[in-house]
Amino acid sequence: SYELTQPPSVSVSPGQTASITCSGDKLGDKYACWYQQKPGQSPVLVIYQDNKRPSGIPERFSGSNSGNTATLTISGTQAMDEADYYCQAWVSSTVVFGGGTKLTVL
Amino acid sequence: QVQLQESGPGLVKPSETLSLTCAVSGYSISSGYYWGWIRQPPGKGLEWIGSFYHSGSTYYNPSLKSRVTISVDTSKNQLSLKLSSVTASDTAVYYCAREARPQGIDYWGQGTLVTVSS
Repeated sequence: SYELTQPPSVSVSPGQTASITCSGDKLGDKYACWYQQKPGQSPVLVIYQDNKRPSGIPERFSGSNSGNTATLTISGTQAMDEADYYCQAWVSSTVVFGGGTKLTVL
Repeated sequence: QVQLQESGPGLVKPSETLSLTCAVSGYSISSGYYWGWIRQPPGKGLEWIGSFYHSGSTYYNPSLKSRVTISVDTSKNQLSLKLSSVTASDTAVYYCAREARPQGIDYWGQGTLVTVSS
């Protein structure tokens, strides 16, 4: 079965740039999405089709996807960005999630 | 504005069938999109359970396929989930969601916690 691999945790200082990776076989040939989930809340879509932001998502969130790796980048990270982040792709009509990355802003 | 609301028993006994309903408002399920169920065990990551396409096709996670049924009641604009022969490992928050493939999963319900315990 297809797997998406994320680092369990990433730390970043306020105002700096955070990068969260998601690896999968030929992931660049598929569309990657990213979700933010804060404690006790439902996930929120922050990036779709590799690099597009839904309405209402701040410009500091961006994405890329090439080869075997998709990357979520948060520029000028703020304390409010501390959350779990999940990558996701569609593989043969099924939905696959990465294991999630806990972003700590300290 | 699309809204999704899960409902169902919060406690299910081992070996029984978990049954949940998702009421959708603001959009007709039969008009388009995929509609799916996703779960999250306490303290763990997201796991896709399966999806229903408005044309009537269903798609399931291969690891759960033998135990899962997803269906739609278009008259009530509701999505349903049945998961049979549950065990403690099925304890999770269950979300219903709209998949705007390939534009992402754009609407999520608030989630409902289901605990499997005798």
